[in-house]
Amino acid sequence: QSVLTQPPSVSGAPGQRVTISCTGSSSNIGAGYDVHWYQQLPGTAPKLLIYGNSNRPSGVPDRFSGSKSGTSASLAITGLQAEDEADYYCQSYDSSPVFGTGTKVTVL
Amino acid sequence: QLQLQESGPGLVKPSETLSLTCTVSGGSISSSSYYWGWIRQPPGKGLEWIGSIYYSGSTYYNPSLKSRVTISVDTSKNQFSLKLSSVTAADTAVYYCARPGGYSYGPTPLPYYDYWGQGTLVTVSS
Repeated sequence: QSVLTQPPSVSGAPGQRVTISCTGSSSNIGAGYDVHWYQQLPGTAPKLLIYGNSNRPSGVPDRFSGSKSGTSASLAITGLQAEDEADYYCQSYDSSPVFGTGTKVTVL
Repeated sequence: QLQLQESGPGLVKPSETLSLTCTVSGGSISSSSYYWGWIRQPPGKGLEWIGSIYYSGSTYYNPSLKSRVTISVDTSKNQFSLKLSSVTAADTAVYYCARPGGYSYGPTPLPYYDYWGQGTLVTVSS
């Protein structure tokens, strides 16, 4: 079980905004470690979506945004599209790099 | 374009040692200032960081796996390898090799992984 907790699933209709939380503690996110986010489409390797809490790699649509506050972080997807249906993982550090429990995003 | 490819047996018996190799193409392991990593994902479950290695041989391991993990590098072949000993069914997973695109700097540098292999499924079963 990961020290970074995410909701198992979130869903939204096309065009809507959804957010995914990543809840940590004082030994990881709250200790000052950044949070990165990955998107994993079925049967594929994870893809970097956000790094350093809120930075998007080139090629990632600006519909994806990240933030961090205290012991938690969030990933927001605005203008939800069918292609956004995937699993999403946060990553931080707690004695070693650690990933969140993962969230499945369903587009209704 | 940097590419990573995992290879190794897809089936390992319980109590034996799992061995995988990651072959890097499109770039040299020894010319980059990154720690090359191994990450795994049990079927239907989340990601777990296993460890990483620098081209000089310096390593970092997940504390929960440290007693069973060895990561090594062969710069002449542009490869790095993973060995996991005394495996059980709980070690059944897709194993990925990966390279960071960079690091964010907090109390400890935290890699963010930008380059991934396609992954290879290793099943532990008799």
